Amino acid sequence: EPEVTQTPSHQVTQMGQEVILRCVPISNHLYFYWYRQILGQKVEFLVSFYNNEISEKSEIFDDQFSVERPDGSNFTLKIRSTKLEDSAMYFCASSEGWAGPDGYTFGSGTRLTVV
Amino acid sequence: DQQVKQNSPSLSVQEGRISILNCDYTNSMFDYFLWYKKYPAEGPTFLISISSIKDKNEDGRFTVFLNKSAKHLSLHIVPSQPGDSAVYFCAASANSGNTPLVFGKGTRLSVIA
Repeated sequence: EPEVTQTPSHQVTQMGQEVILRCVPISNHLYFYWYRQILGQKVEFLVSFYNNEISEKSEIFDDQFSVERPDGSNFTLKIRSTKLEDSAMYFCASSEGWAGPDGYTFGSGTRLTVV
Repeated sequence: DQQVKQNSPSLSVQEGRISILNCDYTNSMFDYFLWYKKYPAEGPTFLISISSIKDKNEDGRFTVFLNKSAKHLSLHIVPSQPGDSAVYFCAASANSGNTPLVFGKGTRLSVIA
């Protein structure tokens, strides 16, 4: 069964450093997303990406964040200068259309720890 | 601002009995609802969905009920199995599913053998 692959599974970084989280979406999917889950909190929407541009973004997705699809397979999330509060599980997802009918396929996540 | 609320952080059920997970929403524009299941160290996986034109959708042991007037949906699992132990997230979308999913905080279900 096709899956969304995320690397690395765990990333530890110092506050102020840049991190790039990588994702390989399902090959025939057209919509890509990043979500995050701070420990014990809900899964929060960060950004959606379609046709090589951002479709929607949340208030969390400020100037410190950027996304890119550098080639035909990868989808990356960059945090320019990490803060302690960026520590969370980051999930990449992809879908053929928007939410219906089967929702998104999520990757296993990257646990980001900012120290 | 919690648009999707799962007020029970955890639920324990005996194997073979019914599990009922509840979800409330506040945004009346939501018209497509999904349930996701999440095991530790894995991403959420899609379980079942329902459009606002229906009030029930069934898939095997899983049934989702939607009460639009109460802005409430529930997931029923019958019979519950130990493998169902996971965190269950309710999610919602507007515009016939054409907006990003908004998730609740999740309910941890433990099915006891």
